[in-house]
Amino acid sequence: NAGVTQTPKFRILKIGQSMTLQCTQDMNHNYMYWYRQDPGMGLKLIYYSVGAGITDKGEVPNGYNVSRSTTEDFPLRLELAAPSQTSVYFCASRGAVGTDTQYFGPGTRLTVL
Amino acid sequence: AQSVTQPDIHITVSEGASLELRCNYSYGATPYLFWYVQSPGQGLQLLLKYFSGDTLVQGIKGFEAEFKRSQSSFNLRKPSVHWSDAAEYFCAVGLNTGNQFYFGTGTSLTVIP
Repeated sequence: NAGVTQTPKFRILKIGQSMTLQCTQDMNHNYMYWYRQDPGMGLKLIYYSVGAGITDKGEVPNGYNVSRSTTEDFPLRLELAAPSQTSVYFCASRGAVGTDTQYFGPGTRLTVL
Repeated sequence: AQSVTQPDIHITVSEGASLELRCNYSYGATPYLFWYVQSPGQGLQLLLKYFSGDTLVQGIKGFEAEFKRSQSSFNLRKPSVHWSDAAEYFCAVGLNTGNQFYFGTGTSLTVIP
């Protein structure tokens, strides 16, 4: 199993550009998450999904959108990039049981200039 | 609101010395508790987790953590630190009534020879 994969690893955007961060998991997990990690701030939840077709907002959803058309994929969309969105983005997944562990992808480092 | 506090931003220990990283949480009931480690440029790896039962839990790489309900704490310990333990450590809380996880701001560990 590849686990949780994220693409791209690095990206530089100009203000106002849009992009999609890709996340795929091959563990047949129901739950998927998007976090952002800012220096000294830990991880903040952006959006999460409890299954295909179901998504919900986390702590910091503004400026982002998600979709979950399949179990495997959970892309994160930035429509109008802003410098405040410069961060490292992590995708994670876990199984349906409440005690299941979250598995994290390697992250995408995004810079908005 | 739920919160996770890691009071130590940065800790330096000598190789072979013991280590304790502190974590306190704020939540009305007993949450699910986790410790993750993050090496530079990498995603998060689970060290150990607590859901119920024995309050002393063993994890990978020789780490252990003790849940103390009276202190709302879940401190991470290792009896003898190795140079390869230098990394960022995150405490996290999962709510057994929902799907979200909350992370502390992390403790950066430096190991000196």
